Amino acid sequence: GEDVEQSLFLSVREGDSSVINCTYTDSSSTYLYWYKQEPGAGLQLLTYIFSNMDMKQDQRLTVLLNKKDKHLSLRIADTQTGDSAIYFCAESFFESNYQLIWGAGTKLIIKP
Amino acid sequence: EAGVAQSPRYKIIEKRQSVAFWCNPISGHATLYWYQQILGQGPKLLIQFQNNGVVDDSQLPKDRFSAERLKGVDSTLKIQPAKLEDSAVYLCASSFEGSGRAFDEQYFGPGTRLTVT
Repeated sequence: GEDVEQSLFLSVREGDSSVINCTYTDSSSTYLYWYKQEPGAGLQLLTYIFSNMDMKQDQRLTVLLNKKDKHLSLRIADTQTGDSAIYFCAESFFESNYQLIWGAGTKLIIKP
Repeated sequence: EAGVAQSPRYKIIEKRQSVAFWCNPISGHATLYWYQQILGQGPKLLIQFQNNGVVDDSQLPKDRFSAERLKGVDSTLKIQPAKLEDSAVYLCASSFEGSGRAFDEQYFGPGTRLTVT
């Protein structure tokens, strides 16, 4: 079935790297997304990756995709207090008419 | 460029009352989405419009929820009568194309937080 799973919380120290993990359902044609939701704000697309890629890097963000294990991760280097938010993993694929299938979100907590 | 606008930002009503939310998408975006986000969960798609036509409303509880996008621009989502379990954040999003396009970024509004007492 369609299911995207993520752990609910992650706590890291300021300046460390954060790694947020997600598992997704399999499809021959899948886009995978990371969205950020700050309190009182809408969802913001951080980055996305197509399933024929293994990695994508954008400044402090690195996305790694393990297709064999259907595992996606988001690494945030040098985590800052402004990174405190809920991070949602989502996927879309042909069979879902490319509608977004969402995880429950991982709340990133930054310790000073 | 202005983002997706939603109003009101907050609403508190009693159960069995009615409520309406308004959304104005980004100018030129053909596709508009309404999502329900219950605390601790990811967004759930309620309805998707392409211009002024409905693409998917399979998860819309049609006995109490209704939505329209009459002129293919702004949209209204209504709940009548509200139940306690409708307490959630209602998010509106828009995209340039949508509707089966492989990648089409969705832009989200700030949401309306509804509390039903």
